Amino acid sequence: GEDVEQSLFLSVREGDSSVINCTYTDSSSTYLYWYKQEPGAGLQLLTYIFSNMDMKQDQRLTVLLNKKDKHLSLRIADTQTGDSAIYFCAEAAGYQKVTFGTGTKLQVIP
Amino acid sequence: GAVVSQHPSWVICKSGTSVKIECRSLDFQATTMFWYRQFPKQSLMLMATSNEGSKATYEQGVEKDKFLINHASLTLSTLTVTSAHPEDSSFYICSAHPPGLAGETQYFGPGTRLLVL
Repeated sequence: GEDVEQSLFLSVREGDSSVINCTYTDSSSTYLYWYKQEPGAGLQLLTYIFSNMDMKQDQRLTVLLNKKDKHLSLRIADTQTGDSAIYFCAEAAGYQKVTFGTGTKLQVIP
Repeated sequence: GAVVSQHPSWVICKSGTSVKIECRSLDFQATTMFWYRQFPKQSLMLMATSNEGSKATYEQGVEKDKFLINHASLTLSTLTVTSAHPEDSSFYICSAHPPGLAGETQYFGPGTRLLVL
């Protein structure tokens, strides 16, 4: 079946950039997403990218996609303490079947 | 737009009782809603796909008689955990897909934390 992998933990200093990486196995993925989950809360969609794109930028967020290597990354510029959360990448061939990664806990040190 | 709510946000119940969790799409109609379960420090696991007006589709390993799903209207799906046991304690999250929205993504509710004593 589909598999989405992420590193479990990332620690950065406030003001630095954070880069969260994700690898996936399903070559038929059409959409790739990044979600943010704060403690005790549901998932908040941060951004998504179509599989025919290489990069997408949205304010402090930059998503890079290497389709050949099935590698997705999320870069958060000027990381703030409010960015501390768990970040999930996810892939889907359509909205019906979304496979989530294991989640990366981002800790921002003041 | 694309707001999904859940009720209750948390519930504590005794072993053997049934618990109903509601998922509502507040500003759109959703023919399909999804129910996920999340254990501490783990990712989301899809339990079932809820289809308005028809039976839910359950993922492998999920007991349909244990987790009853009813999608009675285009804005409401309910998940009932029947005869709950401590191992059913978890964070339950629903999601829905707004038709016609670009990105083909799901929008998530805030989750319901269930603790079975």
